[in-house]
Amino acid sequence: DTEVTQTPKHLVMGMTNKKSLKCEQHMGHRAMYWYKQKAKKPPELMFVYSYEKLSINESVPSRFSPECPNSSLLNLHLHALQPEDSALYLCASSQVGQQYGYTFGSGTRLTVV
Amino acid sequence: DQQVKQNSPSLSVQEGRISILNCDYTNSMFDYFLWYKKYPAEGPTFLISISSIKDKNEDGRFTVFLNKSAKHLSLHIVPSQPGDSAVYFCAASLNNNDMRFGAGTRLTVKP
Repeated sequence: DTEVTQTPKHLVMGMTNKKSLKCEQHMGHRAMYWYKQKAKKPPELMFVYSYEKLSINESVPSRFSPECPNSSLLNLHLHALQPEDSALYLCASSQVGQQYGYTFGSGTRLTVV
Repeated sequence: DQQVKQNSPSLSVQEGRISILNCDYTNSMFDYFLWYKKYPAEGPTFLISISSIKDKNEDGRFTVFLNKSAKHLSLHIVPSQPGDSAVYFCAASLNNNDMRFGAGTRLTVKP
């Protein structure tokens, strides 16, 4: 298995909703990432997990809450989002180390209404 | 503060010719540089990387060149094929798996 699987592919949620994005990989990668990408912009790093521990939090608002329950799973819990949070949310994984390219999922297209 | 910049939003090349995609960066602490390719409705796919201690890395039709003094890297694709048409992202990595992306260049290879 050489894929990163993200669910759901599309999500529409209201500003008072609570929802979760899920990401799964079975490549034995011990680093996992959440990126946010707005249209015509580069992916922006949100969180990095290394060996299931949060190692980087790029000053992301607390309405985004990451969770890494085990080495294969990464969740992003969403609560009280704003319309400007609408974006493509990309999950990625890699071996630990800078020289290893990431394997990205196809992303979740999130719309906040 | 965008530390990785791709100043050309698009590039069009004839099949069989060379495609040259450019990238500039501002942070001299970056250790690794990578190129990703993205098709619509898919996540980016890793293509090739280069360490900051090297100036060239080649993998088949893809070669990445690094000029540290100019803080510039480029991706050469030779020969270009229609299947290479995609958005190409340049990325640069600090330690602790902190990777920053450029805005991307859309490459179109015409048959």
